[in-house]
Amino acid sequence: ETGVTQTPRHLVMGMTNKKSLKCEQHLGHNAMYWYKQSAKKPLELMFVYSLEERVENNSVPSRFSPECPNSSHLFLHLHTLQPEDSALYLCASSQGRENEQFFGPGTRLTVL
Amino acid sequence: GQQLNQSPQSMFIQEGEDVSMNCTSSSIFNTWLWYKQDPGEGPVLLIALYKAGELTSNGRLTAQFGITRKDSFLNISASIPSDVGIYFCAGQRMNRDDKIIFGKGTRLHILP
Repeated sequence: ETGVTQTPRHLVMGMTNKKSLKCEQHLGHNAMYWYKQSAKKPLELMFVYSLEERVENNSVPSRFSPECPNSSHLFLHLHTLQPEDSALYLCASSQGRENEQFFGPGTRLTVL
Repeated sequence: GQQLNQSPQSMFIQEGEDVSMNCTSSSIFNTWLWYKQDPGEGPVLLIALYKAGELTSNGRLTAQFGITRKDSFLNISASIPSDVGIYFCAGQRMNRDDKIIFGKGTRLHILP
């Protein structure tokens, strides 16, 4: 595998379900990010991890819970989501927060 | 908060035509990035610009970092069908704690 991978690519869940999104980067980067992409809106930065520490949380509801066990892996744990949380969730990584980010293919999430 | 104004929002062109799009901001950036996103995929970095006035090419794509550091342009020459997608600009200051800001994207359609 190369670059940034995300699983699953598609996820449909009910509002009472608990699921997790996974991201893995094979670039040796030390910063990882979660973004939400909704139709006709700019990319919304959700969380930033630098050297495995969460350094940014942009007022994201607590029903989204990130986890970064090491510099190569990033998870987004989901529980009791709302239909308006349906979106494409993108993971990205970079070498240092000041350098360009490389994105994964995203997980298309639908909340019923 | 900070915003990037990206225009046009969408473009319909004939195959073979040249394309121009741009991003403007009220803030100064030290880095401008251009990404392309294909349907169902994550954004892919096309060109990164680090210096005011810089002109950088990647195949048929050319991007420029505006002299004022508040704008950037992307040109595509002799468009082909695989150029279809959404093009995003992004601006970032070099301070490691500064967020990267994304434009809303320009959706490119190519007519046969």
